[in-house]
This record gives sequence, structure tokens and C-alpha cells, in this order.
Amino acid sequence: KAGVTQTPRYLIKTRGQQVTLSCSPISGHRSVSWYQQTPGQGLQFLFEYFSETQRNKGNFPGRFSGRQFSNSRSEMNVSTLELGDSALYLCASSLEGGGGPTGELFFGEGSRLTVL
Amino acid sequence: AQSVTQLDSQVPVFEEAPVELRCNYSSSVSVYLFWYVQYPNQGLQLLLKYLSGSTLVKGINGFEAEFNKSQTSFHLRKPSVHISDTAEYFCAVSRVQGGSEKLVFGKGTKLTVNP
Repeated sequence: KAGVTQTPRYLIKTRGQQVTLSCSPISGHRSVSWYQQTPGQGLQFLFEYFSETQRNKGNFPGRFSGRQFSNSRSEMNVSTLELGDSALYLCASSLEGGGGPTGELFFGEGSRLTVL
Repeated sequence: AQSVTQLDSQVPVFEEAPVELRCNYSSSVSVYLFWYVQYPNQGLQLLLKYLSGSTLVKGINGFEAEFNKSQTSFHLRKPSVHISDTAEYFCAVSRVQGGSEKLVFGKGTKLTVNP
């Protein structure tokens, strides 16, 4: 069974640009969550999508957005990039969501974004 | 609101020594607790989880953790570590928000196993 696939793995952007990251969940998983990982803040929850609907959202500005398609693949977009957006963005999928009793989270290897 | 505190940001140990990585949580309701491991340049992998039942939880790669409700702790232990255990370890608690769950992570503990 293929794992969670994230593309691209590495990318470099400049301030003010926008970026789109993609996540293909494990086959059959309907929930996709996104996390931002930085050395200073650790892992911070961005949002979760379930059956094409955003079900949960973290405390990030509106520049961060996402969506989920009917095949459960998900994308996240960051507009007007700032230096502080440099981070590893991790996607995780699960059957029903959350990572707790409703289902284990399976993580991809992440997309490392560098903003210059 | 639930939160997680990992008391040590870095833990160096020698190979074959025992190790304990500390985690404390704060919550006013029932909790579900997890330990994840992240090897260099990889995503996170579930080591073990406590949902209910026995307070001693065994996970993969010889790790175990004990849920202590009175001390609000969920420390991770391994009696004898290997070089391959060098990684970052994250403690997490499951939190219900907006009708669905999400994981809240601690800031991580970097375990370095030296020969």
C-alpha cells in the first residue's frame, strides 16, 4: 500500500510569491491534515479536510488556505509569502480523521519551503 | 485547552544505555496520548498510543510509555538504545475541536545516541 505522497519535496520562493503544495493520501483515507513544522514553534496544526470539507482550522492567517478534491487529494496554498513561512509542511492522512481514537495519522515526508 | 510540554529539548545518551523522554500534558477532560518519532528528512511515525485501559503501553522498536494521571505525565522509555534510535520524538494529545479531533504536539526532544 503506497504511503502519503507530498510534492514537491523542496522548493525555494521569494517574498511576495505564492506557493501550492500537494498531498496524495493513502488509498481509502478520507481525512487529510496539514501541519507546519519550524525549529522555533515545532509542529503547528494548519487545517484538516474530510470529504472535501474543511472540518478544522488552526490559528494561521488567511494567506494559508487549502482544499480537498473528490479523490481525497489535497492542496494547500500560501499567498504573499513571508520569510517566516519558511518551514517543513507536513501532510497526514487517516481513515476518519484527527489522529486520536477515530484513526491513526500517517504522515508524508513533507515539503520543505524556503522563502528568500 | 489541552497542551503538551516536553521537558527536554535535547537528550544525549550512549549506545545500550537506558533513556527516558519526559512529557507532561494539561487537560481537564479525558485524554488520548501519543508518541511519534521523526527520523532525519522523514515524516512522523507513530511509536505508541494510550487511549484507555492499561497505563503501560508498549510500542514499536522496544519503546514503552506509562500514563500517569495523577502526575499528568506520559514519559517514553527504552531500556537499551541503539544508534538507529537517533531521531526527534514528539509527544501529542488528541483534542476535540469543531466536532472533530486534532493532534496537539509538544515541541519535540532530539535524542542523540552516541557510540
